[in-house]
Amino acid sequence: ETGVTQSPTHLIKTRGQQVTLRCSSQSGHNTVSWYQQALGQGPQFIFQYYREEENGRGNFPPRFSGLQFPNYSSELNVNALELDDSALYLCASSLEQGASYGYTFGSGTRLTVV
Amino acid sequence: GQQVMQIPQYQHVQEGEDFTTYCNSSTTLSNIQWYKQRPGGHPVFLIQLVKSGEVKKQKRLTFQFGEAKKNSSLHITATQTTDVGTYFCAANSGTYKYIFGTGTRLKVLA
Repeated sequence: ETGVTQSPTHLIKTRGQQVTLRCSSQSGHNTVSWYQQALGQGPQFIFQYYREEENGRGNFPPRFSGLQFPNYSSELNVNALELDDSALYLCASSLEQGASYGYTFGSGTRLTVV
Repeated sequence: GQQVMQIPQYQHVQEGEDFTTYCNSSTTLSNIQWYKQRPGGHPVFLIQLVKSGEVKKQKRLTFQFGEAKKNSSLHITATQTTDVGTYFCAANSGTYKYIFGTGTRLKVLA
């Protein structure tokens, strides 16, 4: 079985720009969650998608948005990038919404905003 | 909002020594999960605890869930260099959102 794949692996953007990060969930997983991990910190929950709808959101502003597609892959979009958005963005898929069997994380996208 | 703290923040041990990290939530939990993140890597799921007072073992790792379901611990017996990494608890209060703890970074000295 394939794991979670994310692209790109690294990205450098200028403040004010927009970025789209992509994630392919593990085979058989129907739920995708996105996390932001700043250096030396624990992952912070951004939102979760199930059946192409957002069904949970953390303390992130509306300029963070997402999509889930019929094949369960997902995108994270961030508008009007700020310097503090520099972080590792992790996509995590799970068998179901409650993730009772745990999340499978991708290797992440390292975003640097300059 | 809900806060999840872990102590210690860092731990250096000699290979063969034991290690314990503690996770404390400000609210009662539905369940708690533990993850390991190697340096430069991504979190990897270790285990989930659901029942009050539950204890689970995986080889040298022992996981406990407190009676009040507000705290948890991970204990590693006889650490090895392969145990190096940051250990995170992830707490769930009955929603679909898991709040990750602050993490404990373990270094094992050979």
